Amino acid sequence: DTAVSQTPKYLVTQMGNDKSIKCEQNLGHDTMYWYKQDSKKFLKIMFSYNNKELIINETVPNRFSPKSPDKAHLNLHINSLELGDSAVYFCASSTQGTGNTIYFGEGSWLTVV
Amino acid sequence: GNSVTQMEGPVTLSEEAFLTINCTYTATGYPSLFWYVQYPGEGLQLLLKATKADDKGSNKGFEATYRKETTSFHLEKGSVQVSDSAVYFCALSGGTGRRALTFGSGTRLQVQP
Repeated sequence: DTAVSQTPKYLVTQMGNDKSIKCEQNLGHDTMYWYKQDSKKFLKIMFSYNNKELIINETVPNRFSPKSPDKAHLNLHINSLELGDSAVYFCASSTQGTGNTIYFGEGSWLTVV
Repeated sequence: GNSVTQMEGPVTLSEEAFLTINCTYTATGYPSLFWYVQYPGEGLQLLLKATKADDKGSNKGFEATYRKETTSFHLEKGSVQVSDSAVYFCALSGGTGRRALTFGSGTRLQVQP
């Protein structure tokens, strides 16, 4: 079974549309994350939830809204998509503790045309 | 805040050559240090980690030692293979900062037969 799974893997959509990416982890972790990887491969944290509570909210346009219905799920909804939103979005999870490994999903490749 | 600096790529080596990818960090306190690898078209996988000074992380022939005095965590491998071609990311978490990973910019490694 895949530990951190996210869907869809590929998404091509037009500017102005609203889309969601779903993430689920079956590792029993209490912390989940969304990272964005740009075209130059740079990775940056967007959001983090611990036990369904938002604990990290970086400087991200408010068109991006995460939702965590339970500890095992963290979805990302994006409104009014723009060309600059094209990127790979990675979901990840971990247990508490700074030395603990963060496990990543396979990524969702979003292309806005 | 936390930051990670790693050498720019691409690094191009012949098979069986020695690999070093430099990584230095800035953080207060005692962060944990990680190397992640991203193969083409895939997500990030943990390669190795070290959680305290002088610890050595190792996996698949790769090694890195947590050097607090030089704030470094250089990645090394004695003999690279074509299958090691990927993008390598140095990262840290914790210290007096937050749990989420702060990544370096990534170093692309290309190994030629």
